[in-house]
Formats: sequence, C-alpha cells, structure tokens
Amino acid sequence: AQSVTQLDSQVPVFEEAPVELRCNYSSSVSVYLFWYVQYPNQGLQLLLKYLSGSTLVKGINGFEAEFNKSQTSFHLRKPSVHISDTAEYFCAVSDLLGADSWGKLQFGAGTQVVVTP
Amino acid sequence: DTAVSQTPKYLVTQMGNDKSIKCEQNLGHDTMYWYKQDSKKFLKIMFSYNNKELIINETVPNRFSPKSPDKAHLNLHINSLELGDSAVYFCASSQEWADLANTGELFFGEGSRLTVL
Repeated sequence: AQSVTQLDSQVPVFEEAPVELRCNYSSSVSVYLFWYVQYPNQGLQLLLKYLSGSTLVKGINGFEAEFNKSQTSFHLRKPSVHISDTAEYFCAVSDLLGADSWGKLQFGAGTQVVVTP
Repeated sequence: DTAVSQTPKYLVTQMGNDKSIKCEQNLGHDTMYWYKQDSKKFLKIMFSYNNKELIINETVPNRFSPKSPDKAHLNLHINSLELGDSAVYFCASSQEWADLANTGELFFGEGSRLTVL
C-alpha cells in the first residue's frame, strides 16, 4: 500500500519569493503522482500530474514539480508566488497495481501556504 | 455552470439526527466519489460509484449510506449522527474508474461542512 508524506504542515512565504513544498511517497509499485490545490472554502483542483515521461512536470499558475524515483519524492515549486497562491496544497498518489488501492487517490495531509506582502 | 455541485454547503445538526447531502455532476462522468476531510484537512475516500454501481466502500460506519440514482448523482445519507462525523464532505467525479488510475484527475465539489452539536 502506498502512503504520502508532506513534510511541512505550513509554509509562510513573502510575495514574489520562491516556494517549495515537499512530498515523499512510499510504494512498492509504480505510481502516478499529483498535486492538488484547495483555495479557501473551495474544493480541490488539479495543479499538475506525473504519469510518465519527463520527470519535470509543469502545471497551472506557474507551478512545476519534479519526480525523483530514487528519492521517492515529488516536490512542488514556484519561482515567484502571488498573494492569490495562498491555499492548501495536497500531494496525492495513485497506485497502478495494488489490488486494494487501485482506483483510489491517496492524499497527503496537506501543506498550508500563506503568502504575505 | 458548476461542474460538481453539492447541497447543502453548511449543515448544523444535533447528535442522533439523520441528514443527507446531495451531489450532482454535469460533466458526463461515469464515476463519482465521497471524500471526508477532517479538522486537520486530512482527506480520506469513503465511497465510489461507477455507473451507479458501488465499487469502493472503505471502512466507514454503516450509518453512512451512499445512493446513486443515476450516474450524474451521488447522495450521502448519514443516520444517528455523532460528534465525530463533523467534517467537510467532498463529492468528486472522474471520467471513468479506470481513468482515475490512469490520469488521476478528480473534479471536486465545493464541499459540505457538517457540524454535529
């Protein structure tokens, strides 16, 4: 079974500064990896995903993430944040082969990003 | 025009009551889900229906009963509400069940915040 660890529960950052959100996963099989964003009082929406191919994935709103298989990580980055990036960010993993986990997205506990002027 | 809509958005009720949350998606998707987000923002899948058929039923109390009258609707009924049921319940959909494992894209509603007093 897979699990997802988001190492930071909250990340304060100044406007126009870079931000990195860390995500590590554990799984014995191949996985697909995702980042979702939840703006205040809204549902989650997909930021980006890694399915295969290039390990550097670009998403919406200037975010990108890098899949590192050897370190089982999928960290999210943005070079310059805006106030509007204040939100909760969730890393998620989909297990490709696990009988109990196939068809389910396993979410991390989330990282709250607070952008201040 | 909201893709995945849930009603009500807020629900405050007493312990022991029975309540329902409704969900509708107009994306033409085959698969719908209920997720529970607790006070620590942790998201956990509860149920999934594919074309009106229950395919994922996580370990939740049997006081929770999902119903899918058609593939565009998935309702959640909760009997004998308890304090621990207080949470935000998210409805989500994906194009098809197999698609979730392939693309991982879930489309979420805005959530229904249930408070049990």
